[in-house]
Amino acid sequence: DGGITQSPKYLFRKEGQNVTLSCEQNLNHDAMYWYRQDPGQGLRLIYYSQIVNDFQKGDIAEGYSVSREKKESFPLTVTSAQKNPTAFYLCARSVRSDRYEQYFGPGTRLTVT
Amino acid sequence: AQKVTQAQTEISVVEKEDVTLDCVYETRDTTYYLFWYKQPPSGELVFLIRRNSFDEQNEISGRYSWNFQKSTSSFNFTITASQVVDSAVYFCALSEPLIDRGSTLGRLYFGRGTQLTVWP
Repeated sequence: DGGITQSPKYLFRKEGQNVTLSCEQNLNHDAMYWYRQDPGQGLRLIYYSQIVNDFQKGDIAEGYSVSREKKESFPLTVTSAQKNPTAFYLCARSVRSDRYEQYFGPGTRLTVT
Repeated sequence: AQKVTQAQTEISVVEKEDVTLDCVYETRDTTYYLFWYKQPPSGELVFLIRRNSFDEQNEISGRYSWNFQKSTSSFNFTITASQVVDSAVYFCALSEPLIDRGSTLGRLYFGRGTQLTVWP
């Protein structure tokens, strides 16, 4: 695997509820990323984090929030403000000094009805 | 403007055929990296290759080969003697440096992917 654990694999929520997606890595890498994938689309960057207690918005951060309290954990919260939350969410990691390769977790498929 | 274009949305071949997946990119940087990832039905993206902008040598790894041409901004991927297990979505990606408070990390721009189906 990519050294990243995402849980659960499938998640179902009612509209109006916040939901948190888990992302854990065990390789002591600094940089972590969240992407969203919609059918027929490439991956789009939501948030990224280089170090603990620091994170930055990507291209589609509206309606999402993250935290990075521990190096190994980078959870993503999909808030009720996100208009189209149903999607496949992928977490990735990279070593800061590496040449930008990113390694991905298995993903979480979120369905909001 | 789209930075990575994968014009082929879907490709179907029969086992043992060769198949080439096209990727065209756009960047103003002189230093960048190009990637191919494979996404099988399970969903996880699997890293296949990284190529930096200063190395235009083609690369071969088993049945896989990559052709990088800066003159045409293309980074095409060929699978020789395709197998059913090659069926997946393949993504081409471009990395540009993202300088954040003095540190550099790379962000990836992905194409929309090409769904490859290999029939037995």
